Amino acid sequence: KNEVEQSPQNLTAQEGEFITINCSYSVGISALHWLQQHPGGGIVSLFMLSSGKKKHGRLIATINIQEKHSSLHITASHPRDSAVYICAPLLGDSNYQLIWGAGTKLIIKP
Amino acid sequence: ETGVTQSPTHLIKTRGQQVTLRCSSQSGHNTVSWYQQALGQGPQFIFQYYREEENGRGNFPPRFSGLQFPNYSSELNVNALELDDSALYLCASSVPGRHTEAFFGQGTRLTVV
Repeated sequence: KNEVEQSPQNLTAQEGEFITINCSYSVGISALHWLQQHPGGGIVSLFMLSSGKKKHGRLIATINIQEKHSSLHITASHPRDSAVYICAPLLGDSNYQLIWGAGTKLIIKP
Repeated sequence: ETGVTQSPTHLIKTRGQQVTLRCSSQSGHNTVSWYQQALGQGPQFIFQYYREEENGRGNFPPRFSGLQFPNYSSELNVNALELDDSALYLCASSVPGRHTEAFFGQGTRLTVV
């Protein structure tokens, strides 16, 4: 069983739809990254959170440490949101070892 | 713009050769981590350097080695290249502390033929 499970693996939606990507993990963590990877490889860190909720523009990330679950939401989705979204927990006993989910490939159609 | 620059962006090498990939971090970011992302897979942690010393290592053989320099730049060296080393190599820099943001470079796509 993978230490990090993301769902869905692929998601196609229409512009304007509300998007939710889920992440469950089985190891002890101290924090969790949500990352965005565009075609060509560039990775951008969207959020790092260790509790509660963070909001940045149309993006919202939540985490429940007790339930070992995090979600990334996109409101009013736009074609430029099309990318791979990766959940990457930070191992609790390391300085900076990320374990990576397989990613969710999101396509937003105009 | 993350402030982290990797070079080269693309590279083709022959099996058995050696390669050096470079990463230039933001000023003050004295922690750098390297990841290997094979096609269609999530990134795998290679190692991390803090203050010019290896600070943690993933499941990679010794032919993967690194250096970190006082000017916040670092190198990933791979000896005796194998076909399976073909991947996107990412570096991420951060400041010390367990709850800080990481900044990723664009990656170097290495193809071994």
